[in-house]
Amino acid sequence: RKEVEQDPGPFNVPEGATVAFNCTYSNSASQSFFWYRQDCRKEPKLLMSVYSSGNEDGRFTAQLNRASQYISLLIRDSKLSDSATYLCVVPEGYSSASKIIFGSGTRLSIRP
Amino acid sequence: DTAVSQTPKYLVTQMGNDKSIKCEQNLGHDTMYWYKQDSKKFLKIMFSYNNKELIINETVPNRFSPKSPDKAHLNLHINSLELGDSAVYFCASSQAGGDSYEQYFGPGTRLTVT
Repeated sequence: RKEVEQDPGPFNVPEGATVAFNCTYSNSASQSFFWYRQDCRKEPKLLMSVYSSGNEDGRFTAQLNRASQYISLLIRDSKLSDSATYLCVVPEGYSSASKIIFGSGTRLSIRP
Repeated sequence: DTAVSQTPKYLVTQMGNDKSIKCEQNLGHDTMYWYKQDSKKFLKIMFSYNNKELIINETVPNRFSPKSPDKAHLNLHINSLELGDSAVYFCASSQAGGDSYEQYFGPGTRLTVT
């Protein structure tokens, strides 16, 4: 099993739709999780952090399921500007020597 | 105002050459990273420095040598460049420990080896 695994997509949905995608992780000791967004030919930027069961920020909701070892990202009322690649990120621990594992990303394309 | 800056943004060079990429952060973070993003868009950590000390060194050819003259800078020197080194290299920084692993990325350096 890969350390962090994502459905690569692409997800192609109409504007206004709700879309969700998952990320599974293998290290049961991981405590914190992140979703990053990467636009084409740009650097990744933090979208949301997930420390407990979930987090909500406007149209975006991230949820954590520790038992099944996955996190999800839900985007409601999707906008054209949401088109990007979404990266799931899982640090292996708390120390500065802990590896930070990036998933390979899920491509999302919102059509008018 | 740029939080994490990298130079150069684009680098085109021939096989066998030696090149350097520079990275600077003005966020006061204590940890800096180099990542490689290949053509399949997979982002993989190469090195991590905490307070100028190397703490993560993934399986990277020893042609790649990071150098951190101070906490705010982490440079990457690559010797004897190969075709397979072509990729986008991202520098990032964070304040490690506690609950925060938010990383701030530089704009990337697109390296093309011909």
